[in-house]
Amino acid sequence: GENVEQHPSTLSVQEGDSAVIKCTYSDSASNYFPWYKQELGKRPQLIIDIRSNVGEKKDQRIAVTLNKTAKHFSLHITETQPEDSAVYFCAASPPPISNFGNEKLTFGTGTRLTIIP
Amino acid sequence: NAGVTQTPKFRILKIGQSMTLQCTQDMNHNYMYWYRQDPGMGLKLIYYSVGAGITDKGEVPNGYNVSRSTTEDFPLRLELAAPSQTSVYFCASSYLAGPGEQYFGPGTRLTVT
Repeated sequence: GENVEQHPSTLSVQEGDSAVIKCTYSDSASNYFPWYKQELGKRPQLIIDIRSNVGEKKDQRIAVTLNKTAKHFSLHITETQPEDSAVYFCAASPPPISNFGNEKLTFGTGTRLTIIP
Repeated sequence: NAGVTQTPKFRILKIGQSMTLQCTQDMNHNYMYWYRQDPGMGLKLIYYSVGAGITDKGEVPNGYNVSRSTTEDFPLRLELAAPSQTSVYFCASSYLAGPGEQYFGPGTRLTVT
């Protein structure tokens, strides 16, 4: 099955600086890569995702890049703000294996991002 | 819409007891999932369902059972609770028949002592 590794496990960044979180995956057939943000005591929420037919996607201060050849993808947060402090999870999903579809996500172990004021 | 709701929020079980974690979604999503989240770890898939009457095992199904009699509800059953099942449990749902956003419930914090 798919295996997703995520680094670093913790990251502290000065407010206004950029933060980068990296993930690698093992299954070359995986084609969907979401990033979820989980604030303390809250539920995970999708912040951005990318599919394997594109190399980069941006949404305001957040961007995700994908390198299919190297099987890794990264989350970039620019101009960090205190509200960016949270745990971030990457995930990977292989293509459907049946007519019912297959949305099984394999998650990384998370990165605790702390923004220092 | 309330989205995905879970009950209870917290529960303490003794070893060997049983309980059912409830999950309901009002978004008419076909896909539903149960995850567990251990401290410092990511989310591990326990079971998932692609529609009423159809369920399948995820990565860590041992010690759990599920059923899906309606589109809205996806309960998770623990038959003989063990300390290793101490965790936070999240239910999620999604609409698309291909990969897409999963909407998570608020979670249930379960302690087995």
